[in-house]
This record gives sequence, structure tokens and C-alpha cells, in this order.
Amino acid sequence: DQQVKQNSPSLSVQEGRISILNCDYTNSMFDYFLWYKKYPAEGPTFLISISSIKDKNEDGRFTVFLNKSAKHLSLHIVPSQPGDSAVYFCAASARGSNYKLTFGKGTLLTVNP
Amino acid sequence: EAGVAQSPRYKIIEKRQSVAFWCNPISGHATLYWYQQILGQGPKLLIQFQNNGVVDDSQLPKDRFSAERLKGVDSTLKIQPAKLEDSAVYLCASSVGDPETQYFGPGTRLLVL
Repeated sequence: DQQVKQNSPSLSVQEGRISILNCDYTNSMFDYFLWYKKYPAEGPTFLISISSIKDKNEDGRFTVFLNKSAKHLSLHIVPSQPGDSAVYFCAASARGSNYKLTFGKGTLLTVNP
Repeated sequence: EAGVAQSPRYKIIEKRQSVAFWCNPISGHATLYWYQQILGQGPKLLIQFQNNGVVDDSQLPKDRFSAERLKGVDSTLKIQPAKLEDSAVYLCASSVGDPETQYFGPGTRLLVL
């Protein structure tokens, strides 16, 4: 039972353009969402998060949008840079779960120069 | 600040053998996690420690997997006996409590033949 779904295994964009990575979830108890970035042979690193009381959170080139009614969130990267090429994981946690994270399968982003 | 250390980085064993992984978290981090990441999947939490006590081990296959965190610092994860389906990257992470400070180590890549 995949509670966090990233339906696009890969995405390719041109440098300078916008990258949009999508994530859907099924568990209505999830109230905190995070994006992690992973380079080959390294562990995931935290990128940005959003609480369910918000619908948008921005940090520099990265913005996360949350649509609770659709159980959907997205990560926007503007402008995209070649160094952004990595696997991006969406993760979610539920209130009272000791911040236990449920991860999606990841989306491989390739930013072409 | 030193990151999360894991060893070994790679391990190849035959099925039915035993194997152990070691993790040294970031100094001062009370919470330690072990994740299993199978190829093409997102990380899945196996066990979570708070200091040296287990907070969540609901997804740990306890018939073959065991973990301990001595003195609330280093941790070991053991598999005995290993199965082919245990081939994965085993990630250790630590945090001060909230998911945004969950720092991952580089992982141990296990191949069971």
C-alpha cells in the first residue's frame, strides 16, 4: 500500500527553466510533508518542508505547494540548475507518529545545460 | 560538524549468512533511525531509537533483523540469516527530534547472493 506516490520516475528540463515535481498521498492523517534530495552514493538531504496549516512554503529557488483537498503537493525549482540533477523524494508524517516518515519512490531530475 | 558515519560501505554475502552494519550518529542527536532502501523504492523505516530505547520497530522483520543502540550513541543493525530480498541500501539517520534535522549517512549497500 503506497501511501505516498511519486508517479513520475524521471523528469528532464533545460537549465534556467522551471522544474515541477509532483507527489500524491492517500493517508488523510499526514500533516507534515518534506522533500529530500539524493545524489548517487550519498544519503538523502533535507530540502524543504511544509505543514498542513500552510499551502505554500518558499526557500530561495525552491517552493513547495500543498493542496490538501486533492492530497497533492508539488516542488517547484526556479531557475533549474545542472547541480539540481538528483533524485527527489517526497516524504510525509502524521501527527503523533514520532515524526515517522513515509517516503515516495522518488523522481530522478535531470537538468540539461 | 561531523556527519553520520556508517560502515561498511559495501558488503556482499551469500544467503543464510549473517551481516552487521554500524552507525555513529551526529554528536548530541538523541534520535536514531535505520532505513532500508530497495532499488527503485524510497527509504522504509525499520527501527527508530530515542536515546537507547526503541520508539518504533513495527516494520522490522524481527525473525531475522535485530538492532541495538548501546549507551544511546552508536547503533548496530544485524541480519541473521540473510535472504536474497534483503539486498538493499541500509541508511542510518539521526536527529535532535524533528524530521527537518534528520541527517542521513551515506548508507551501506548490501548484496545477498
